[in-house]
Amino acid sequence: SQQGEEDPQALSIQEGENATMNCSYKTSINNLQWYRQNSGRGLVHLILIRSNEREKHSGRLRVTLDTSKKSSSLLITASRAADTASYFCATDARSSGSARQLTFGSGTQLTVLP
Amino acid sequence: DTGVSQDPRHKITKRGQNVTFRCDPISEHNRLYWYRQTLGQGPEFLTYFQNEAQLEKSRLLSDRFSAERPKGSFSTLEIQRTEQGDSAMYLCASSDYEQFFGPGTRLTVL
Repeated sequence: SQQGEEDPQALSIQEGENATMNCSYKTSINNLQWYRQNSGRGLVHLILIRSNEREKHSGRLRVTLDTSKKSSSLLITASRAADTASYFCATDARSSGSARQLTFGSGTQLTVLP
Repeated sequence: DTGVSQDPRHKITKRGQNVTFRCDPISEHNRLYWYRQTLGQGPEFLTYFQNEAQLEKSRLLSDRFSAERPKGSFSTLEIQRTEQGDSAMYLCASSDYEQFFGPGTRLTVL
């Protein structure tokens, strides 16, 4: 089952603009991770934010986490055409026990127009 | 390149045939996961290994699916008597804390 839901499902912006994607989830988490996937390829890990963190930065990426609202956002600043991809949030739920398997949302398809 | 490799990258098979996929994780990682991803959806968890022990299986993993991780190194996922509904991308991930994914094996069942 999909725990996370990304919003919007699709986003189209011009190169240089910022892109914001949101993720909502349902259960208590250990951490939340964002991944990127180019069409037909594997997932690339972007950033992990732990449940006791509120904000994290990595290069042009900024992730926020609000555990009271069970939501996260991914901001990509100064977007480039090469950022075109699907972006997924994935939660490591406390209920998953020792397995710590990830539960993914259905993704946001980002298109950056040159 | 995440350091996780999968083979083959693509597999086309006829309904009813058996297929086997291989995953080579990052060598120092003792956790290994298999996920399945269908078009337009995020990956869904199938099974988890801690070293050679298979500790968790999703209800998505029917009796036709079997996974092994002999000696706690590489892992194989076998699907017996494939059905058209098995067509998907099969992803492997290894982990010490973050999960690193391989490129996936895309299965097409005709």
